[in-house]
Amino acid sequence: EAQVTQNPRYLITVTGKKLTVTCSQNMNHEYMSWYRQDPGLGLRQIYYSMNVEVTDKGDVPEGYKVSRKEKRNFPLILESPSPNQTSLYFCASRLYPGQASKEYFGPGTRLTVT
Amino acid sequence: DAKTTQPNSMESNEEEPVHLPCNHSTISGTDYIHWYRQLPSQGPEYVIHGLTSNVNNRMASLAIAEDRKSSTLILHRATLRDAAVYYCILRGLAYSGAGSYQLTFGKGTKLSVIP
Repeated sequence: EAQVTQNPRYLITVTGKKLTVTCSQNMNHEYMSWYRQDPGLGLRQIYYSMNVEVTDKGDVPEGYKVSRKEKRNFPLILESPSPNQTSLYFCASRLYPGQASKEYFGPGTRLTVT
Repeated sequence: DAKTTQPNSMESNEEEPVHLPCNHSTISGTDYIHWYRQLPSQGPEYVIHGLTSNVNNRMASLAIAEDRKSSTLILHRATLRDAAVYYCILRGLAYSGAGSYQLTFGKGTKLSVIP
């Protein structure tokens, strides 16, 4: 089954403790991205990757890092999480970066930073 | 600035058709119109997209106005499973950094389906 998987689905952590949220897709998609969703602000893109070893900032990249060492995986790294990074995170992928390509989303990771 | 305008909420009776409107008066000639939906506690899900002509797929139909300044997502028979927030999104180079064609989500329309 074609899908985007994320782990963990739920995470509670403390300020400053480094964490990684994994994302994997099995569709051989070139393009992957991370979004966060907050009440009243909607979904906002954090980082995206056009292909292996090619990443770039989205609208809200501060406090996050990503890497794309292989095509299927796109982990999101929070080096020193802070409470304002408490949010619902979605990983997404699409076959190619263009305008007509449809995006597939993962099930989400709910992160709480205390 | 909002690039699309949608009603905040709509209601429909189960098994009746639903027409979800979207205004996008500043659309450019190369912008695609995408619709996604988000069911409660799930990630967004692709519904349909189009450029100029009306489009149909197994989930819905997309009717695009001749001047492309508005579009309508049509669910032919609403079911309880269709209760979700529906997002109308323009995707084009003008709205994103070079090459990213990102999806820019607005507030969407919350659709409630009454049994």
